[in-house]
Amino acid sequence: VIWMTQSPSLLSASTGDRVTISCRMSQGISSYLAWYQQKPGKAPELLIYAASTLQSGVPSRFSGSGSGTDFTLTISCLQSEDFATYYCQQYYSFPTFGPGTKVDIK
Amino acid sequence: EVQLVESGGGLVQPGGSLRLSCAASGFTFSSYDMHWVRQATGKGLEWVSAIGTAGDPYYPGSVKGRFTISRENAKNSLYLQMNSLRAGDTAVYYCARGLSSIAAAAHWYFDLWGRGTLVTVSS
Repeated sequence: VIWMTQSPSLLSASTGDRVTISCRMSQGISSYLAWYQQKPGKAPELLIYAASTLQSGVPSRFSGSGSGTDFTLTISCLQSEDFATYYCQQYYSFPTFGPGTKVDIK
Repeated sequence: EVQLVESGGGLVQPGGSLRLSCAASGFTFSSYDMHWVRQATGKGLEWVSAIGTAGDPYYPGSVKGRFTISRENAKNSLYLQMNSLRAGDTAVYYCARGLSSIAAAAHWYFDLWGRGTLVTVSS
């Protein structure tokens, strides 16, 4: 089993801020990592796959980086619609998700 | 419209059974691996099962032997038969479409999700 951690678990930010979320693996997973956004009462939505590839239709203010064990999701200029919970997911082996990072209004 | 719509959730007693369904539309259902992912209230996401295009099933240890995934391509439908349900199975169950960058099982991420159906296991 691949264990995953995300930090921070809660991030308070303001519109226009640059925010960074970290996802760390217990073992190397190459670039088999995806990021999702989930709003309350809604299903998750895919943002990024293969660690850094932006899903079609996702705004370019979202970006992903990293490989091996350490990954980062960056939102370059936070918009009001970006306040949500973000999950990383590894697919090097059977899928597992990180515990999530909630981005709320400062 | 490309979408997934789950149904079949509800209240069931511990030890009981429930069958979830997922209706797919707007894409070639038979060409995709399909999945169930669940989320307990206020908690994170947990992959529950997968079925390949050839009907090959996959499960994590937490549900293996209790849950059975199946598909009916002619009806563009995915199913999850859940037996011996426990309180810990209480969650919203999402149907999801899986993609893989390589032609091998397990290497899935999820590009399309349904809205979910709530399963509550309680006496």
